[in-house]
Amino acid sequence: EDQVTQSPEALRLQEGESSSLNCSYTVSGLRGLFWYRQDPGKGPEFLFTLYSAGEEKEKERLKATLTKKESFLHITAPKPEDSATYLCAVLSNYGGSQGNLIFGKGTKLSVKP
Amino acid sequence: DVKVTQSSRYLVKRTGEKVFLECVQDMDHENMFWYRQDPGLGLRLIYFSYDVKMKEKGDIPEGYSVSREKKERFSLILESASTNQTSMYLCASSFRDREYFGPGTRLTVT
Repeated sequence: EDQVTQSPEALRLQEGESSSLNCSYTVSGLRGLFWYRQDPGKGPEFLFTLYSAGEEKEKERLKATLTKKESFLHITAPKPEDSATYLCAVLSNYGGSQGNLIFGKGTKLSVKP
Repeated sequence: DVKVTQSSRYLVKRTGEKVFLECVQDMDHENMFWYRQDPGLGLRLIYFSYDVKMKEKGDIPEGYSVSREKKERFSLILESASTNQTSMYLCASSFRDREYFGPGTRLTVT
């Protein structure tokens, strides 16, 4: 069965304290791995798509990396405005041409000034 | 910029009422999705549609139905609302495997 697990569930950082969020997955054929940011009471906002092991994407203080079993979202020198829940989703080949998108439960990041 | 809109941000309904949640996207996307999001359970797929008048059940379709009469609009229907359907409902459309989400509807059933 396809599965996506995010850790930790919650992370508290001081402003400027770099860290990483983990997304581990087991799927039958990876088509893509997605990172989203979600603010309270709002819909998820797209951050990155990764397609193959070794791929990396960067945006401001965020950098996403992918291996065959997991993805990391590295946050460098975070600021309070980076506080949000970060969701990982994996699109597998199961389910035909539409694929099967599975979401992790998210990591709630709090950055204190 | 892709825009996905949902008809209401907040909705309060009574048990047994028929509830309609509307979603509209403006980018001519073929695929549209309805999820619900609950604390500790994450996002769970209710239904999706890959074309007009086409629909597929997701992981938790029980108690819900959908309608897609036009490409840009995807409706979620709660035939007889129950308290366990109190949740955040998220609509999304997709292009090249990437999903674009609406702002969500916080539904409370009392």
